[in-house]
Amino acid sequence: DGGITQSPKYLFRKEGQNVTLSCEQNLNHDAMYWYRQDPGQGLRLIYYSQIVNDFQKGDIAEGYSVSREKKESFPLTVTSAQKNPTAFYLCASSIIGDTQYFGPGTRLTVL
Amino acid sequence: GEDVEQSLFLSVREGDSSVINCTYTDSSSTYLYWYKQEPGAGLQLLTYIFSNMDMKQDQRLTVLLNKKDKHLSLRIADTQTGDSAIYFCAEAQYALNFGKGTSLLVTP
Repeated sequence: DGGITQSPKYLFRKEGQNVTLSCEQNLNHDAMYWYRQDPGQGLRLIYYSQIVNDFQKGDIAEGYSVSREKKESFPLTVTSAQKNPTAFYLCASSIIGDTQYFGPGTRLTVL
Repeated sequence: GEDVEQSLFLSVREGDSSVINCTYTDSSSTYLYWYKQEPGAGLQLLTYIFSNMDMKQDQRLTVLLNKKDKHLSLRIADTQTGDSAIYFCAEAQYALNFGKGTSLLVTP
């Protein structure tokens, strides 16, 4: 069954903790992306990667970190430096320059 | 950066046509997309149009592109209650630049 998976679906974090959101794809896509969605807002790009072991900052990278050790995986860490992390996080993947396909999302809530 | 603009809300009756409008920013965008988001879910690709096209039709969906005005629209024919969702337009740059989304409410 091909596609993009994100886990967990819901995540709760205490203030001051780092948390890592998982994103995996078996579509053999080179490019992967992380977006953040806030209520009533569009999606804003956090980080993207077009090749293993390389990634680029998006528009709102502060307080986040990523790694791309494997083609199929692009985990996102929300660090304690992120001032307002409560949001819906969406991962996407694509062939470079082609249509992006999205995972089901992870809803992060800071307690 | 500049914003992709969409109206925030649209309400239509079941069976009517819906038209969702979008103004994008980058005249060099090669592809323009429409995505659908249902509550609590990820984004589902609905359709896309290549920038050298004026129109694309796919079953109940019609996309119109006016490059001169940088205006994109999505028409849904015979709108059903299952079409109620948020619709995002997006222009393709190095990643996708999204509008804030249009909430479509379909009433019986």
